[in-house]
Amino acid sequence: SYELTQPPSVSVSPGQTARITCSGDALPKQYAYWYQQKPGQAPVLVIYKDSERPSGIPERFSGSSSGTTVTLTISGVQAEDEADYYCQSADSSGTHYVFGTGTKVTVL
Amino acid sequence: EVQLVQSGAEVKKPGESLKISCKGSGYSFTSYWIGWVRQMPGKGLEWMGIIYPGDSDTRYSPSFQGQVTISADKSISTAYLQWSSLKASDTAMYYCARRSRGYSGYGLYYYYMDVWGKGTTVTVSS
Repeated sequence: SYELTQPPSVSVSPGQTARITCSGDALPKQYAYWYQQKPGQAPVLVIYKDSERPSGIPERFSGSSSGTTVTLTISGVQAEDEADYYCQSADSSGTHYVFGTGTKVTVL
Repeated sequence: EVQLVQSGAEVKKPGESLKISCKGSGYSFTSYWIGWVRQMPGKGLEWMGIIYPGDSDTRYSPSFQGQVTISADKSISTAYLQWSSLKASDTAMYYCARRSRGYSGYGLYYYYMDVWGKGTTVTVSS
């Protein structure tokens, strides 16, 4: 089955930049989406269509895509950004959705 | 306000059946697909499947095909996730989420989960 691979954890100091990668063979053909999940809460969409930001999401969140890897970048990280982040996409046929393995962002 | 309201926490024994719900409001329930996502304790998100309440067209992740049943009752704007015989390994948080669609040009669309329920905790223990 199709898999999306993320690093388990990323640590960053306040004000610095956090970058979270997501790798998958079908990413050149399928858009990626990013969700933020804080403890005890439901996921929240922070990036859609690789790099678009929903209304209400701070400008410090951005997304990019290159080949089989997509990246979520959080510029000027704030303490409130500490959370788990998941990429999500579909297999090459677009039939089956899948989430990435998840990355825990720790703000030092 | 657009929202998905999920049913309350459940505690069940192995072998029992269960049906949890997800009620949509503030939008046209029959015009958007509803997906279900599992999160086992301390683990990541897993895609289970999706249903279109307008005609009950349902798609399952291969990992969950035959393990659960997804259904919907459009007359009461509610989607369901059910088990016929629970196992301890079904213990998890279950989220429903609305799938919205955007147009990316050249006849192509993109899809994203924009509204999520707060989740239903299911505990299966003898």
